[in-house]
Amino acid sequence: AQSVTQPDIHITVSEGASLELRCNYSYGATPYLFWYVQSPGQGLQLLLKYFSGDTLVQGIKGFEAEFKRSQSSFNLRKPSVHWSDAAEYFCAVGTYNQGGKLIFGQGTELSVKP
Amino acid sequence: NAGVTQTPKFRILKIGQSMTLQCAQDMNHNYMYWYRQDPGMGLKLIYYSVGAGITDKGEVPNGYNVSRSTTEDFPLRLELAAPSQTSVYFCASSKGGQGGGYTFGSGTRLTVV
Repeated sequence: AQSVTQPDIHITVSEGASLELRCNYSYGATPYLFWYVQSPGQGLQLLLKYFSGDTLVQGIKGFEAEFKRSQSSFNLRKPSVHWSDAAEYFCAVGTYNQGGKLIFGQGTELSVKP
Repeated sequence: NAGVTQTPKFRILKIGQSMTLQCAQDMNHNYMYWYRQDPGMGLKLIYYSVGAGITDKGEVPNGYNVSRSTTEDFPLRLELAAPSQTSVYFCASSKGGQGGGYTFGSGTRLTVV
């Protein structure tokens, strides 16, 4: 069965520091992978997605993620965190032939220290 | 563009009452989804639809029903509300296929007391 694991429930980083949020997935075929961000009281916004090709994908707000098939991982990174990046981040895995359903991880809450 | 519109934003129900959560999209997306979000649990798929007249169960369908009579609308019906249905509900739509990537509504926060 497909699954997504985000090992870190809560991460705190200092403003200006680098960030890496971890995501591991389990899926038998080539997955489609996504990162979403949710600000408090809001819906989810797509940060970036991977379908195929270059394993390093760029997204909005200065985020990037790298797909590593050998490690079944799709970690999200940002070189320098801003206070406005404080939010909850969700990794998701999807398929082409199952109604486009996405399976979401549990989420990682990011706090940013001044 | 309005995107995905959910109504109401907040609702308090008494145990045993029923209600319909509305979801409408104006992007001509064929695929639509209902998720519920509970703290620390991520999002769980309730029902989804790949086109008008076609719906299917997700991971947690019990206690809910859906219909899809038009491309634009995908209402979620709660019958006999229970405290376990207290949650935040999100509707989303997608082009499907390699279009991937959902567009989410802003959510409905439901409390059952």
